[in-house]
Amino acid sequence: GNSVTQMEGPVTLSEEAFLTINCTYTATGYPSLFWYVQYPGEGLQLLLKATKADDKGSNKGFEATYRKETTSFHLEKGSVQVSDSAVYFCALSANQGAQKLVFGQGTRLTINP
Amino acid sequence: NAGVTQTPKFQVLKTGQSMTLQCAQDMNHNSMYWYRQDPGMGLRLIYYSASEGTTDKGEVPNGYNVSRLNKREFSLRLESAAPSQTSVYFCASSARLAGRSTDTQYFGPGTRLTVL
Repeated sequence: GNSVTQMEGPVTLSEEAFLTINCTYTATGYPSLFWYVQYPGEGLQLLLKATKADDKGSNKGFEATYRKETTSFHLEKGSVQVSDSAVYFCALSANQGAQKLVFGQGTRLTINP
Repeated sequence: NAGVTQTPKFQVLKTGQSMTLQCAQDMNHNSMYWYRQDPGMGLRLIYYSASEGTTDKGEVPNGYNVSRLNKREFSLRLESAAPSQTSVYFCASSARLAGRSTDTQYFGPGTRLTVL
């Protein structure tokens, strides 16, 4: 079946550090890939997505490139801020006709000033 | 425009009690979803409704029932709560009829449920 594996957290960085959160997936066909972010006490919100191979999703300084050859969708940001502290979820959707998101386990990120 | 709203925010039940979690969206979305979030496991799909009048099982449907009351509302019912159902429950919605794999899902703030 379809699955998503994220790097285990928690991840703690200093402000302005470079961030990478690894995400790999297993899926049949050609899934769409997503990064969702969950701030403390809130629901999830879409951060970025990519719908086909070699697409790059970007938002708020975050980027991720859909790599079909390595089945990966790693999240990167060049200079993190304290406000980026949150839990990040990688997810895929491989269905047509009814979207069923499959999530990774989440990575908690803490940025220290 | 409130987006996706859920009630209640918190609930404590005793084993065997029943309750209904309510979800409503004001974005005129066609598809709605219920997930549970457990530590270290991400979110797992319980049930979804691809359009008004239809519902289908997700990955973990046992112990739950759903009702798509109208286009706006999608409720989740626990008939006889068990400690294994202690979790945070999220409702989500997406725009297109029957959904597409590229759709963005919009999430509510969640309901934290504890079953003793």
